Parts: sequence; structure tokens; C-alpha cells
Amino acid sequence: KNEVEQSPQNLTAQEGEFITINCSYSVGISALHWLQQHPGGGIVSLFMLSSGKKKHGRLIATINIQEKHSSLHITASHPRDSAVYICAVEVGNTDKLIFGTGTRLQVFP
Amino acid sequence: DSGVTQTPKHLITATGQRVTLRCSPRSGDLSVYWYQQSLDQGLQFLIHYYNGEERAKGNILERFSAQQFPDLHSELNLSSLELGDSALYFCASSRERTDTQYFGPGTRLTVL
Repeated sequence: KNEVEQSPQNLTAQEGEFITINCSYSVGISALHWLQQHPGGGIVSLFMLSSGKKKHGRLIATINIQEKHSSLHITASHPRDSAVYICAVEVGNTDKLIFGTGTRLQVFP
Repeated sequence: DSGVTQTPKHLITATGQRVTLRCSPRSGDLSVYWYQQSLDQGLQFLIHYYNGEERAKGNILERFSAQQFPDLHSELNLSSLELGDSALYFCASSRERTDTQYFGPGTRLTVL
């Protein structure tokens, strides 16, 4: 079993739909990252969080430390949101990161 | 543009060879991270440097080594290359070890 699990692996949505991507982990962490990787390969860091909730535009990230679970929500999805979304956790105070396998999102007009 | 630069963009080489990948972090960033992304393994953390010192090692092979120089740029050295080393190699930088990371565009290494 992977230490960081993401679901779903693939997601297809119509423009305007509300999207949720989940990340569960089994190790103690100091922080959790959500990354976006576009088809061209470039990676952008969306959020880094260690508790609670963060919002940036149409994106919302939440984390529940007790349940070892985080969610990434996209409101009013748009075709330009099509990308792979990757969850990564920083293990304890080790500065090491473990990545999930990613969720491939396609949003159709 | 994240402000992180990586050279070269593409590298094609043969098995058994040695290559050096270079990363220049954003101005003022003290932390540099190296990652490997292959088709079968996904993204993997290799190594983290902070202000010239190694802070953490992940799944980095003994054939690989890295360093961060006084001007804070970093190099990842890959030697005795194997076909399985073909991958995208990303570096990322952050101001402090607990800050958001900014990723470079990556170096695509192909080992023939």
C-alpha cells in the first residue's frame, strides 16, 4: 500500500462542475502540498497546508490531520483546469516528500 | 515563469555515461530540491539542500550525487547511466524549508 493515496485516478467533468480530488496518507506529516502539472510538463505549487483550509480563486484545499486526509476542490471548473493534480506530504520533520500518483482531470466545454 | 531555471532542457546520452544537470533557484531562495519523474514511478524526491548543506535524502541512487554551491545554484550529477534513468528531472526552490516550492521547467534525460 502506498503511503500517499489519491482518488480518483482519472476524472472527467463538464465545464462548470464542482470537482473534488482526495488524498489520504498513512505517515506523520509536517505539511501537505497540492501541485498541478499541465500537459506540457510544467509543475506549479497550488497550496501548502498543515491545518485547516486555504482558498485561492476557484481552488480550495482542506486538510484533516486527525483523519490523515486532504481534499482539493475546484469550483466552476473550466477546460483550462485540465491537468494532473498531485498530492505530496512532508514526512515529519525530515524534509523528505512522498508523492501520490496523481489525478488526471479533463474538463470538457 | 517560476524564476527557477534548469539547464539543459533536453539531454540525450548513452548508457554508462555521466551527465550534470544544473539548477538556478529564484533570487533569495535558500532551499533547493531535486525530483525525478519517470513514467513508471511518478514523482520521487531525490535530495534537498538548504544554504549549501544537505538536509534530506530520498530515493537517490549511489550513482547520483548533488551539491549546492555558495551562490546557491545546484548541480545533480548522474553517473554510470542506465536506460532506467531516463526521466524528467525537476528542481524546485523555496525561501525557507517550510515555504511554497517553485518548480523549474525540468530537464528531460534520455539514455539510449
